[in-house]
Amino acid sequence: SQQGEEDPQALSIQEGENATMNCSYKTSINNLQWYRQNSGRGLVHLILIRSNEREKHSGRLRVTLDTSKKSSSLLITASRAADTASYFCATRTLNRDDKIIFGKGTRLHILP
Amino acid sequence: DADVTQTPRNRITKTGKRIMLECSQTKGHDRMYWYRQDPGLGLRLIYYSFDVKDINKGEISDGYSVSRQAQAKFSLSLESAIPNQTALYFCATRQGFGNEQFFGPGTRLTVL
Repeated sequence: SQQGEEDPQALSIQEGENATMNCSYKTSINNLQWYRQNSGRGLVHLILIRSNEREKHSGRLRVTLDTSKKSSSLLITASRAADTASYFCATRTLNRDDKIIFGKGTRLHILP
Repeated sequence: DADVTQTPRNRITKTGKRIMLECSQTKGHDRMYWYRQDPGLGLRLIYYSFDVKDINKGEISDGYSVSRQAQAKFSLSLESAIPNQTALYFCATRQGFGNEQFFGPGTRLTVL
């Protein structure tokens, strides 16, 4: 069963605007990761945030984590056409099996 | 050259045929994973391997088998393909606990 659920399922914004995607999960985690997938391609890792961290930045990306609400958000600032892709959150739970469980993704479309 | 490669990239086959998808990596990672992706369902874990002698079932292992021939090679087999196994299949690698995963380019499999 899916651990993470992204919201919204799809998002269209104008180029230059900020895009925010949210992820909720069910069980306690060791870390949460965000990935990007361009259409039909493999996933690319964007950023990892550990359970004891609240916020992390990487270039135009800002990720927040609220473990009390079991939720995370990914903010992409000053969006570009090249940001058009699907974005997935993935959680590593505290289990020893070391599986990373992916959500269903948010499809982001940047309008010119 | 790509760090994680998958062959074939595309395959069309018929119901009942045996199919093998292959994954190779040059990253030297110990952990390897097979996922399938269906529209609207995100990525679901089929099998994963921590090393050559350690194979584990994922969420949806029925109808699939795997072989870890070497640290760098992890193959996925469909013993008797059926149409609902039509999907995009991804191999991924990781080094150590909980770190980011590196994905291959994917294999698009169609079972008629």
